[in-house]
Amino acid sequence: AQSVSQHNHHVILSEAASLELGCNYSYGGTVNLFWYVQYPGQHLQLLLKYFSGDPLVKGIKGFEAEFIKSKFSFNLRKPSVQWSDTAEYFCAVIISSGSARQLTFGSGTQLTVLP
Amino acid sequence: DSGVTQTPKHLITATGQRVTLRCSPRSGDLSVYWYQQSLDQGLQFLIQYYNGEERAKGNILERFSAQQFPDLHSELNLSSLELGDSALYFCASSPRLDTQYFGPGTRLTVL
Repeated sequence: AQSVSQHNHHVILSEAASLELGCNYSYGGTVNLFWYVQYPGQHLQLLLKYFSGDPLVKGIKGFEAEFIKSKFSFNLRKPSVQWSDTAEYFCAVIISSGSARQLTFGSGTQLTVLP
Repeated sequence: DSGVTQTPKHLITATGQRVTLRCSPRSGDLSVYWYQQSLDQGLQFLIQYYNGEERAKGNILERFSAQQFPDLHSELNLSSLELGDSALYFCASSPRLDTQYFGPGTRLTVL
């Protein structure tokens, strides 16, 4: 079965620091990749997604991610974080099988940005 | 606001009881997905419906069931509730089989 690994469970940064959150998946075929963010007490919001094409994808709020097929990775980056980026970040993958399209999530990374 | 609505927001009930969670997808979205978020299990896929038909099953217990109605709203039924069923239950919807948009969730507390 496919799995998604997020190795950083909790990341603490100061404002203006650069961010990189790791995400690795285990599946050798075609995948669709996503990063979702969950602000405290809120629902999951889509940050960005990769289906095909340019492996460097840009999302909302200045986030970007790079798909590296050879490393089975889809790391999330932001050059300069803000206090309002404090949230939990989830990497997810869809392996399509006919019309079954369930998301498999990583365990999440809690990001705390200190003012 | 994703356009996906879920009711109720909070639900407190006792062990052994049965509850129904409701989800209204975004207008035009044919697929509905249910996920459970708990501290020990993380975010786990439960079940997917597409235009009224079950399409995929994940880690859904036999005590749980779901359906999608002709107007595309969905209900998740949880029965014989146990303490360990306490969690956030999210619904998501997508147009056809595309990106999933999540609702605000229902927080279930089983006492």
